[in-house]
Amino acid sequence: GAVVSQHPSWVICKSGTSVKIECRSLDFQATTMFWYRQFPKQSLMLMATSNEGSKATYEQGVEKDKFLINHASLTLSTLTVTSAHPEDSSFYICSVPGQGSSPLHFGNGTRLTVT
Amino acid sequence: ELKVEQNPLFLSMQEGKNYTIYCNYSTTSDRLYWYRQDPGKSLESLFVLLSNGAVKQEGRLMASLDTKARLSTLHITAAVHDLSATYFCAAGSGGSEKLVFGKGTKLTVNP
Repeated sequence: GAVVSQHPSWVICKSGTSVKIECRSLDFQATTMFWYRQFPKQSLMLMATSNEGSKATYEQGVEKDKFLINHASLTLSTLTVTSAHPEDSSFYICSVPGQGSSPLHFGNGTRLTVT
Repeated sequence: ELKVEQNPLFLSMQEGKNYTIYCNYSTTSDRLYWYRQDPGKSLESLFVLLSNGAVKQEGRLMASLDTKARLSTLHITAAVHDLSATYFCAAGSGGSEKLVFGKGTKLTVNP
């Protein structure tokens, strides 16, 4: 069964509005979760590391005030895209580290379209 | 800074043929992963390679790791249409759980 649950699977919103994406670790507690963004036909780019109990760590070039991350509990991280613009349209995927060297477990992704 | 390069980026092959996808990484890495992504879907883990000389096989796919050459390969044997997908390699290093992904190889297997 799924290890990581991501919701919603897809969302369409208007420019200027905000969208929240949830990522839940179903099988185990996760002090760390990762948020990736994937533009069409491109690779995954790490946006930020979500840390339970502390601030998220953002990758270079990612606006922390635009992409708000909240690691509310050991099983839930949320990504809020604030004041969305069409260029924010992308596939957002969260992931949870596996145990030890186990591979990352990925959510099913959220397809965001900003009109 | 760890960088990961894959080639080829696009691969079109006939059913029954063999081919190899290459993944080079720039600095020392202690783990290498291969993932598969179908269109519109998330990533599915295929292989985890942790040591020099590691070789893993699943069906028609076989992955290997040469840490001295900083190279991993994904070999496809007797390709079938169902293998059509995009394949990513990803590397990690040190104590960080973060992974750096290659650009992906879009594989199309033609009947």
